[in-house]
Amino acid sequence: AQTVTQSQPEMSVQEAETVTLSCTYDTSENNYYLFWYKQPPSRQMILVIRQEAYKQQNATENRFSVNFQKAAKSFSLKISDSQLGDTAMYFCAFSKGVNSGNTPLVFGKGTRLSVIA
Amino acid sequence: DAGITQSPRYKITETGRQVTLMCHQTWSHSYMFWYRQDLGHGLRLIYYSAAADITDKGEVPDGYVVSRSKTENFPLTLESATRSQTSVYFCASSELGQVNSPLHFGNGTRLTVT
Repeated sequence: AQTVTQSQPEMSVQEAETVTLSCTYDTSENNYYLFWYKQPPSRQMILVIRQEAYKQQNATENRFSVNFQKAAKSFSLKISDSQLGDTAMYFCAFSKGVNSGNTPLVFGKGTRLSVIA
Repeated sequence: DAGITQSPRYKITETGRQVTLMCHQTWSHSYMFWYRQDLGHGLRLIYYSAAADITDKGEVPDGYVVSRSKTENFPLTLESATRSQTSVYFCASSELGQVNSPLHFGNGTRLTVT
């Protein structure tokens, strides 16, 4: 079974600074997808960013970007110019791709990020 | 409003009772999922469904029953609730018709079993 590891249970960052959240995963597959989800105190789950393993270019969404290191099985999330509204729990998730047997998303345990004014 | 709706938002029940959590989506997404969220465990998949009348077990299915008689509804039933089932439950649907597509989540149901 695939596993997703988020080694930082909690992190904090000053407003306007940059922070990087770590995620590693374990798979023998070559075709898969990786995701970052954000869960603010409202409990709503929001997709932040998605990366397809066959794409070498790192995904970017406004202030959010990833550093995808396929050989190292690492998928970190960088948040630039942190804002108070970024305070949330962040979950990394993995799923196998079409040619690898398509599976539902498997989530890591989460990293609680606090942005400090 | 279009979206995915869970009810109730909060529920307290007693050990041994049967309880059903409701999930309704208006997009006609084929795939639907139930996850539970527990501190220190993240989100774990309970059951999922590829279409009406098709369901599959996830990582933690024991003690739960699901049904999918209509595409838009995917209720989760705890047949005899236990304290270990105290959790926040999330229903989700898959926007691209694939099991590994980005998920749209409901707002969750916080269930407390006393």
